[in-house]
Amino acid sequence: DTAVSQTPKYLVTQMGNDKSIKCEQNLGHDTMYWYKQDSKKFLKIMFSYNNKELIINETVPNRFSPKSPDKAHLNLHINSLELGDSAVYFCASSQAGGYPDTQYFGPGTRLTVL
Amino acid sequence: TQLLEQSPQFLSIQEGENLTVYCNSSSVFSSLQWYRQEPGEGPVLLVTVVTGGEVKKLKRLTFQFGDARKDSSLHITAAQTGDTGLYLCAGASGGSYIPTFGRGTSLIVHP
Repeated sequence: DTAVSQTPKYLVTQMGNDKSIKCEQNLGHDTMYWYKQDSKKFLKIMFSYNNKELIINETVPNRFSPKSPDKAHLNLHINSLELGDSAVYFCASSQAGGYPDTQYFGPGTRLTVL
Repeated sequence: TQLLEQSPQFLSIQEGENLTVYCNSSSVFSSLQWYRQEPGEGPVLLVTVVTGGEVKKLKRLTFQFGDARKDSSLHITAAQTGDTGLYLCAGASGGSYIPTFGRGTSLIVHP
């Protein structure tokens, strides 16, 4: 059983398109995250949701909109894709309140914007 | 924003060699974690250290948290090809349970 799963694994699209990435965790965790890893491997947090509520929203363009229909799912929708959005996007989950917090990552979605 | 600097950025060694990777910051962390990320996969937690001066061992890997809780090191003895990957340190502080990641050390172990 995959603990944190993401779809799709690869996403190639044209500039200006709108795309979504889906994430699901079966660990029963309360908190889910989206991270962006750039070409230099820097992993930076974008959003964090706790029990379907947004608790962290780092400086991310408002073209990025997360949606959490329930605490096991956190999807990421990106409007008007730009070249600079090309990166690997990781979903993660953790049991909030477990301090220090262990992040369980999905396998990543490699987004390429042409 | 707490910054975590990792060094070296890249490391290419032969199987059987020893190596040390460093993670430094000017900030004090309540806890520090090391993750390993293999190509095409997400990072996976290796260890968490919470006490200044703490040393933890995981088979051939030795992790140390600095006395002042501002730095950490990861030492690998007799590296194997399976150790190849990106090693990320991540620190949490200020009551936040969400870690801030360093930029990583990319390790390649050649047979």
